[in-house]
Amino acid sequence: GEDVEQSLFLSVREGDSSVINCTYTDSSSTYLYWYKQEPGAGLQLLTYIFSNMDMKQDQRLTVLLNKKDKHLSLRIADTQTGDSAIYFCAESRGNDMRFGAGTRLTVKP
Amino acid sequence: DAGITQSPRHKVTETGTPVTLRCHQTENHRYMYWYRQDPGHGLRLIHYSYGVKDTDKGEVSDGYSVSRSKTEDFLLTLESATSSQTSVYFCAISEWSLQSPNEKLFFGSGTQLSVL
Repeated sequence: GEDVEQSLFLSVREGDSSVINCTYTDSSSTYLYWYKQEPGAGLQLLTYIFSNMDMKQDQRLTVLLNKKDKHLSLRIADTQTGDSAIYFCAESRGNDMRFGAGTRLTVKP
Repeated sequence: DAGITQSPRHKVTETGTPVTLRCHQTENHRYMYWYRQDPGHGLRLIHYSYGVKDTDKGEVSDGYSVSRSKTEDFLLTLESATSSQTSVYFCAISEWSLQSPNEKLFFGSGTQLSVL
């Protein structure tokens, strides 16, 4: 199984908030990341959080980190159809990045 | 996109044939990676390189070899392709170091490989 776990699908209405959840396993991970993949493309770094932070906000994106529960979440405010993509959570273990299986976000008009 | 080019973008081959995928970067980043992406598995690391002629195995390295003779090029070779190696292959680069351990990865557009 995956070391990093995510639910596979999420569907929201345009304008609603989306919350994508992730659990990871390595408590020593220094950084945790969210990547976005659009159809036919590679992954693009969306945002990241340093392990000594609880929250990071970047425009419509909010990352929450609960180190005790090894839980990471990505909230997208005012979700748009252009946000439809696969979102990957990843944890950095030194020079080895481990990815979750990805959450496919579908935004309905 | 960061200056990463993968070639070919698509490849169809037969079982037992050798296949080489190429990754070329113009960013002069030290670290280069090869991942494969399969449904339900996310991305899994095949091999990575931390400098010219310096490579190491990843999580799913069996059946693959790599070479890095120049900073800008990282080759992935399937010596004898099998159907289980049908996948999308992504190259990535990073500037990871002990002094700057934020392993932000920049990805190429991927190579779709089908082994029949």
